[in-house]
Amino acid sequence: EVQLVESGGGSVKPGGSLRLSCAVSGFNFTKTWMSWVRQAPGKGLEWVGRIRSKSDGGTADHAAPVKGRFTISRDDSKNTLYLQMNSLKIEDTAVYYCTTDRAAYDNRGHYYVPFFDYWGQGALATVSS
Amino acid sequence: DIQMTQSPSSLSASVGDRVTMTCRASQSINTYLNWYQQKPGKAPKLLIYAASSLQSGVPSRFSGSGSGTDFTLTISSLQPEDFATYYCQKSYITPSFGPGTKVDIK
Repeated sequence: EVQLVESGGGSVKPGGSLRLSCAVSGFNFTKTWMSWVRQAPGKGLEWVGRIRSKSDGGTADHAAPVKGRFTISRDDSKNTLYLQMNSLKIEDTAVYYCTTDRAAYDNRGHYYVPFFDYWGQGALATVSS
Repeated sequence: DIQMTQSPSSLSASVGDRVTMTCRASQSINTYLNWYQQKPGKAPKLLIYAASSLQSGVPSRFSGSGSGTDFTLTISSLQPEDFATYYCQKSYITPSFGPGTKVDIK
């Protein structure tokens, strides 16, 4: 059974830091790209960033609103994904979900389309003075 | 940046109704389009990937269609457990989500 379990959420003042973890099981984490998606209270979904598997370079991309402040990393020996959040702003308050970031060909076999198929339960990060 | 819009923003329907909602991209994204269902307090769930492929385990009453800029999610016969918010998501270049369509009980 695939499981993704986030931890590390909490409350912090503006300018502070938090590190979220996502412990996974039930699939080959080493070969899987992973993403973080967040949802502010009462709002829609926002992609935060992704990290490639080590075999695909292991590099991370971060969305514009968090670039330079957030860092996604992974420890394949621990089957764990991380999101280091620095210089936090009030608008970073959200539930943060880790997701698998996989892909498959469309019905005509033309395009290899990424999607988020498994999600954790979410971790709430609150930034407030 | 490619913008994603969804319509309607909300709809009211009854059990057994056929429900259709749309997602539009500001420029062509081919079939780089996925659909998710989210219930209050829960993580989103993947329903449809690559515009029209049904995710494993998802009931066949859900279907997706479209390519380019216009996409549709259809629920052929609405069930009580389908009342939720539905998000489209483009996965072309930078992933982003539409604002959602909330389906509630008429």
